[in-house]
Order: sequence, then C-alpha cells, then structure tokens
Amino acid sequence: AQSVSQHNHHVILSEAASLELGCNYSYGGTVNLFWYVQYPGQHLQLLLKYFSGDPLVKGIKGFEAEFIKSKFSFNLRKPSVQWSDTAEYFCAVISNTGRRALTFGSGTRLQVQP
Amino acid sequence: GAGVSQTPSNKVTEKGKYVELRCDPISGHTALYWYRQSLGQGPEFLIYFQGTGAADDSGLPNDRFFAVRPEGSVSTLKIQRTERGDSAVYLCASSLGTLSASGANVLTFGAGSRLTVL
Repeated sequence: AQSVSQHNHHVILSEAASLELGCNYSYGGTVNLFWYVQYPGQHLQLLLKYFSGDPLVKGIKGFEAEFIKSKFSFNLRKPSVQWSDTAEYFCAVISNTGRRALTFGSGTRLQVQP
Repeated sequence: GAGVSQTPSNKVTEKGKYVELRCDPISGHTALYWYRQSLGQGPEFLIYFQGTGAADDSGLPNDRFFAVRPEGSVSTLKIQRTERGDSAVYLCASSLGTLSASGANVLTFGAGSRLTVL
C-alpha cells in the first residue's frame, strides 16, 4: 500500500540550529511531493512543493527540500531555525499509480526553544 | 471567497446523533477534498469531488459517512449515528482542478471542523 513515513515524531531544537526532517514514500511512478506546515492554532499551509525539474526546491520562510528519487525521499531542511518555526510539519505525496489525492505522513512536531 | 471556509469550527454532539459539516471552497475551484485528522496523526483522505460528482469516496470509513456537493461549490459532510471514534478534526481543501502527479494543482485547506462525540 502507498504510504508516507516521517520518522521524526518530535524534534526539539534551539534557535539558530539547523533542521532536517525526514520524509520517505513507498510507491513508484511519477510523484508530486509537498510539505505543509501547521502553526499553533492555524490551518495547514503549503510550505513548498516539487512537481518536476530541479530536485532542490525552495519554499517560504527559508525552507528547502530535496527530492532524491533513488532514495524515495523528500527531506525538509532549514539552515537556521527561529522560534517562530515551532509548528507541526507534514509531508504529502501524490503519484500517478494511486488515487488522485494527497497521502500524508503522520507529521513531525518541531519545538524551537529561544 | 478568499479562502476555504468551514463551519462549524467546533461541534460537540452526543453519541448516536446526526451531524453535518459544511465546506465553502475557494471560488472557481472545481475540486474539493475532505480529510479527517485525528490527534497526533496526519490528515487521512475521505472523499473528493470534481464538480458535483464524488470522484473517489474510497476513504469514507463506513456507510454512516456521506458527502454531497449538489451545485459544484459548497459541500456538506454528513455523519449519521455518530460514535465516539468519529471525534476528530474534519478538514476540507480545494484546488483549481483534480490533483494528479503530472499536474500543477495544489490543495488549499480550511481551518477544519473539530467534532467531539460524547
């Protein structure tokens, strides 16, 4: 079955630390990949997306993600986190071999300490 | 509207009651998706509409759940004989067109309707 794995369930960092959140998916074919963020008390917002082309994509607020097809991964990175990055982060995938809807990972809760 | 609007934002009901949750998508968005998010989990697909028709309802957990979109805009998710296990945040999202791995559509989410079944 198609699935998306986010192995880091809860990450605690100090401000200015570097961030990398893992995302792996289980299905082949053509994929579109997304990272969504949910700040406390707010709704899900799109952080960045990969459709095709350059596997390194840049999103809002200094976030970037790299699509590595051979590893079925789409890890999220930020060189220096801020307290305001405290949120829950969700990876999502759609492939051309499955339903025409996003499949989400279980999320990673990021806590940035000032 | 400017964003996806969901009402009510919170609904508390008793076990066995009937509940309706409403979603008003972004104007011009033809595709509408319903997801359910339980505590500590990612959103779980329920159903999506392209226009007025339910294109894929394979995520609905059982026949107590039903959704409609009669005029291709507003959608209502209906839950009959609610159970405590139905407690979750129900998310609605819309996009210009149906998502595909070869397209460029993205989902815009609403704030969700938090359902609590006592």
